[in-house]
Amino acid sequence: GEDVEQSLFLSVREGDSSVINCTYTDSSSTYLYWYKQEPGAGLQLLTYIFSNMDMKQDQRLTVLLNKKDKHLSLRIADTQTGDSAIYFCAESTGNNRKLIWGLGTSLAVNP
Amino acid sequence: DTEVTQTPKHLVMGMTNKKSLKCEQHMGHRAMYWYKQKAKKPPELMFVYSYEKLSINESVPSRFSPECPNSSLLNLHLHALQPEDSALYLCASGHRGEAFFGQGTRLTVV
Repeated sequence: GEDVEQSLFLSVREGDSSVINCTYTDSSSTYLYWYKQEPGAGLQLLTYIFSNMDMKQDQRLTVLLNKKDKHLSLRIADTQTGDSAIYFCAESTGNNRKLIWGLGTSLAVNP
Repeated sequence: DTEVTQTPKHLVMGMTNKKSLKCEQHMGHRAMYWYKQKAKKPPELMFVYSYEKLSINESVPSRFSPECPNSSLLNLHLHALQPEDSALYLCASGHRGEAFFGQGTRLTVV
């Protein structure tokens, strides 16, 4: 079945770059997403990439997609303490847009 | 405006109560979703509405009853819940590749 995997924890120093990785199994994935969730809050759509793209950049965020290896990464440049959160990778296929979620990567940013 | 608004933000209810969660979006999205999320876990899909019709029910117990009165509104009616139903309930709406979430209703069943 469909599966999305992420490492559970990442710790970086403020000002460094963070790279959060995700792998997925469904080769028919249409869209791949990164969501951010701060404690007690809802899910914020950070960015998404269509499966025919290799890269997408939006200010400090860079998403790279390796479709052959089914690998997705999110790079956050100049990581700040406000970036501390859980980051969920998700993919969707089909018209019902059902999202398949990873377990989330908890990013800790140390001053 | 990419906002999905959920009310109430917090809800405490007894196991014999009936309550409703509300969700509203004005982005013209024709797909709307209810998710349940436990602490530090990914959200679990409960229901999907597409063009105001229920298209997916992920085998959710009947004590949860969704309703889509129009293309902007989504309700979740709650009745006879159990303490294990305590969670963050998230509404989302989507169009093409985008799926936007509300801030959720934190539900506690006592």
